[in-house]
Amino acid sequence: TQLLEQSPQFLSIQEGENLTVYCNSSSVFSSLQWYRQEPGEGPVLLVTVVTGGEVKKLKRLTFQFGDARKDSSLHITAAQTGDTGLYLCRSGNEKLTFGTGTRLTIIP
Amino acid sequence: DSGVTQTPKHLITATGQRVTLRCSPRSGDLSVYWYQQSLDQGLQFLIQYYNGEERAKGNILERFSAQQFPDLHSELNLSSLELGDSALYFCASSPGSSGRPSSTDTQYFGPGTRLTVL
Repeated sequence: TQLLEQSPQFLSIQEGENLTVYCNSSSVFSSLQWYRQEPGEGPVLLVTVVTGGEVKKLKRLTFQFGDARKDSSLHITAAQTGDTGLYLCRSGNEKLTFGTGTRLTIIP
Repeated sequence: DSGVTQTPKHLITATGQRVTLRCSPRSGDLSVYWYQQSLDQGLQFLIQYYNGEERAKGNILERFSAQQFPDLHSELNLSSLELGDSALYFCASSPGSSGRPSSTDTQYFGPGTRLTVL
């Protein structure tokens, strides 16, 4: 089973600060997806990365896929309260494995 | 709104009982996926159906079963319920053009059913 470890598990920061969360595995990913889940709702896809070293930007969010395709990071610039939620990575395998999640809280 | 609907929103039942959760996928989506989310296990894939046929299995217990009907809605049946089955159950759908779980497919999740087993 491909285990996806996300860090940190919890993160609480002030509005306006920058942050980075990570998704790591000992295995190589064919691709990786990042989701955000808000309380009381299902996860929503943010991005899919498929190529080692790939960088994708979604407004203030920057996603990077590691060169070796074993890790990924999500960087948020100038965090806003609307960024609060559970961030999940998901590997591109048929078991549809999700990571352990990072619960992010942005304090106004 | 993802376009995926799930009923009921909340369900409270007792150990040993059987329940059925229902999911209607987005219009035109052929693939339906079921997931279980609990505090200690995270989000776990259970099973996938494509156009009425089972296509992939994850960590689904033998006490659980699912099916997808000709109108593409799906039901997840949970029987002989235990306290540890208390969780959020999500359904997701995707166009699923290949029929197999794709590493780049966009899955659209419903709002979930919160199951509490007492």
